[in-house]
Amino acid sequence: NAGVTQTPKFRILKIGQSMTLQCTQDMNHNYMYWYRQDPGMGLKLIYYSVGAGITDKGEVPNGYNVSRSTTEDFPLRLELAAPSQTSVYFCASKEAASYEQYFGPGTRLTVT
Amino acid sequence: AQKITQTQPGMFVQEKEAVTLDCTYDTSDQSYGLFWYKQPSSGEMIFLIYQGSYDEQNATEGRYSLNFQKARKSANLVISASQLGDSAMYFCAMREGPTYTGANSKLTFGKGITLSVRP
Repeated sequence: NAGVTQTPKFRILKIGQSMTLQCTQDMNHNYMYWYRQDPGMGLKLIYYSVGAGITDKGEVPNGYNVSRSTTEDFPLRLELAAPSQTSVYFCASKEAASYEQYFGPGTRLTVT
Repeated sequence: AQKITQTQPGMFVQEKEAVTLDCTYDTSDQSYGLFWYKQPSSGEMIFLIYQGSYDEQNATEGRYSLNFQKARKSANLVISASQLGDSAMYFCAMREGPTYTGANSKLTFGKGITLSVRP
């Protein structure tokens, strides 16, 4: 049982490039989330999903897109990367009837 | 107003002593939940403890307890018998609404408090 896995662990992007951050969970959780954590700050919600085919915006969705075609996967797409997107990105998941979110190890992204 | 406020600067505690990390929150919902997460230097987010707004007892999990004062809108984390491995960043977070589902499941985090445990 791997829990929540994220790839890649680290990535450096040039301004204007695009990339997809991968998130997979093997706990059959319906709910999945993407957060970003800027240096010295708390986490902010980018997008979340309550099940396959259903996604919704969080607090800071601009510059990102998500999709949820399966229960297991919740990729986060960055189009036209900007320096302001330099951050650590965390994916999380939870059961519908539980309060606890399980976090992945994070992806550290630098945009230069 | 900020929903979660953690204003303590870096905190220091002697090994084996207790420490309290402060968290105040702001919500107009009657039903909500408060969380504490630990983030060691390795970066992962570790769930510590949860308190529901209608829970009558303060939550406890091993050496962690939550001092919940609803009228003051505070949810302070108490760590007893501090250990060197407790050195980390600690985040308070809140979900709002009567259920754990849908938009009510979203978490709002504070900026965190750095705790250093001295040997």
